Amino acid sequence: QVQLQQSGPGLVKPSQTLSLACAISGDSVSSNRAAWNWIRQSPSRGLEWLGRTYYRSKWYYDYAVSVKSRISINPDTSKNQFSLHLNSVTPEDTAVYYCARDGGAAPDYFDYWGQGTLVTVSS
Amino acid sequence: QSVLTQPPSASGTPGQRVSISCSGSSSNIGSSTVNWFQHLPETAPKLLIYLTNQRPSGVPDRFSGSKSGTSASLAINGLQSEDEADYYCAAWDVSLHDYVFGTGTKVTVL
Repeated sequence: QVQLQQSGPGLVKPSQTLSLACAISGDSVSSNRAAWNWIRQSPSRGLEWLGRTYYRSKWYYDYAVSVKSRISINPDTSKNQFSLHLNSVTPEDTAVYYCARDGGAAPDYFDYWGQGTLVTVSS
Repeated sequence: QSVLTQPPSASGTPGQRVSISCSGSSSNIGSSTVNWFQHLPETAPKLLIYLTNQRPSGVPDRFSGSKSGTSASLAINGLQSEDEADYYCAAWDVSLHDYVFGTGTKVTVL
């Protein structure tokens, strides 16, 4: 059974960097089949895909256009986890952030999700 | 600003059929498969339909998906009280190179 456990602060100041981690059990961040995603949800923007990383003989990264200049998603094979870093945050980045696995059974097969982390951007 | 448009709300009585539309364009729904997600409060979204019309194991067969051109639909046949939730369509947009979600539809069971 795959489980994704999120960790990270729930409050970030404007202009600072939002950082969250997603620890994986039951699968490997280096899987040749899965992709590891970050998605957020807010009342004003609904669900928004932020980006993903995946390993297919080398690491690949895809980022949403809306955050491409501010985001990085990093795999950590030693801890079997992946992290989200979003810099220069504003109150518009206040949202519930989810990590999610695309299990690879079909395109964009988001089968397992983290528990969600409410991140508030406020001074 | 989402590129997939859904009605903000839909409702029905128990046992009724409810249909939710998702309007896109040739760069997303027109050229990709469509997923649907169910989002209940205080929980993570759940994959309800993948590959436009396939149900993951454990999803009741009262949920069905379809697509025609640049629009997709989710139907709930035999609406139940536990179906009260927000529903989102989603597809890969080949022009944006983004995975885009719809605006979301809140389903209310009357």
